[in-house]
Amino acid sequence: GALVYQYPRRTICKSGTSMRMECQAVGFQATSVAWYRQSPQKTFELIALSTVNSAIKYEQNFTQEKFPISHPNLSFSSMTVLNAYLEDRGLYLCGASAETLYFGSGTRLTVL
Amino acid sequence: GDSVTQTEGLVTLTEGLPVMLNCTYQTIYSNPFLFWYVQHLNESPRLLLKSFTDNKRTEHQGFHATLHKSSSSFHLQKSSAQLSDSALYYCANMGYKLTFGTGTSLLVDP
Repeated sequence: GALVYQYPRRTICKSGTSMRMECQAVGFQATSVAWYRQSPQKTFELIALSTVNSAIKYEQNFTQEKFPISHPNLSFSSMTVLNAYLEDRGLYLCGASAETLYFGSGTRLTVL
Repeated sequence: GDSVTQTEGLVTLTEGLPVMLNCTYQTIYSNPFLFWYVQHLNESPRLLLKSFTDNKRTEHQGFHATLHKSSSSFHLQKSSAQLSDSALYYCANMGYKLTFGTGTSLLVDP
């Protein structure tokens, strides 16, 4: 079956520092990887959509300078949150898909 | 752009009663691809159902939904709610990206 591993599950970082999260697709080829942030109100914000062999498309209010993403092959993607501040707190989800989007377990970011 | 509407923020019902969670969508694509995801407490969303076939019922784990292009709907139903069904349910539409509704919290009481 299709599985998506995301790590770390939780991370705490000091304000102004950076943290990186990774996503691994197992059992299928992830031609697209979408990074979402789930707000405290439980709504989903798409940060960016990465399709192999295409430019990464960032949504409004999110930039490559703040959330650089790497998607080097069909099984792996990573995203870094640079200079994290309180407003960056939340649950970050990677969704990998060939046709259907499967989510990783999420990375819960706490910023002190 | 695409949008998904889930009108109920919270649905509370008693175990054993039927469940219906509403979902309507707007899309520029002629062939919509609709999904229901379920998210239990402290977990990530998990795919529950999906469909791109008009007027065909799709079922999984006791839940079912039918995509109706005529009414742009993909309502989620279950004949008898269980306590373990308490969770957040998200309807989503795949355009160039997956667009989520705001979610419906289902609370099943004993």
